[in-house]
Amino acid sequence: GAGVSQSPSNKVTEKGKDVELRCDPISGHTALYWYRQSLGQGLEFLIYFQGNSAPDKSGLPSDRFSAERTGGSVSTLTIQRTQQEDSAVYLCASSLEAGTYYEQYFGPGTRLTVT
Amino acid sequence: AQSVTQLDSQVPVFEEAPVELRCNYSSSVSVYLFWYVQYPNQGLQLLLKYLSGSTLVKGINGFEAEFNKSQTSFHLRKPSVHISDTAEYFCAVSGEQGSILTGGGNKLTFGTGTQLKVEL
Repeated sequence: GAGVSQSPSNKVTEKGKDVELRCDPISGHTALYWYRQSLGQGLEFLIYFQGNSAPDKSGLPSDRFSAERTGGSVSTLTIQRTQQEDSAVYLCASSLEAGTYYEQYFGPGTRLTVT
Repeated sequence: AQSVTQLDSQVPVFEEAPVELRCNYSSSVSVYLFWYVQYPNQGLQLLLKYLSGSTLVKGINGFEAEFNKSQTSFHLRKPSVHISDTAEYFCAVSGEQGSILTGGGNKLTFGTGTQLKVEL
């Protein structure tokens, strides 16, 4: 079966532009997570969805970051007015249900470069 | 708050030699511990996890880890490594309290990673 997919795989954008990153979770997975992997900060949690709602947005670094999930499936992470410090690999993961006992399956990530 | 420390940023080892990647955690609540592997240009893959029960956990690709509560450690070991084990390894923790506070989500806190380089 298909795993978690993310698009685009690479994105280069100019400082100040908005970007949208997409995540397609494994079909039937109700929980979806976004993480960011950067040289300075390592791997950090951004936001978690259960269905279409986001009970935990505590990792979003600023109000320039937002995310939504529609139909309990696809999720988009939007970064407005990008800054150079936003350059990182953005990883998406999904699990069958929320909670510790359910493995998170990770996508290959979107590498974002802000010039 | 929870945190994970991986003291070794890089570990070089010869093929067929044993290896140990160290992981220490801090948490004020019960923890659940994970090791993930990331091959170049790929996403993270779960190697093994400790949730409860036996403190010795066996995972995929011949890896195992031991949960040591008194030393707050969860070191990863393999008795004989292969070239294909070259990758970055991440230790992660989630906590029951965190799950309650985050609406049931399993938010993972990761260490900074250890690059394992297997040489011939």
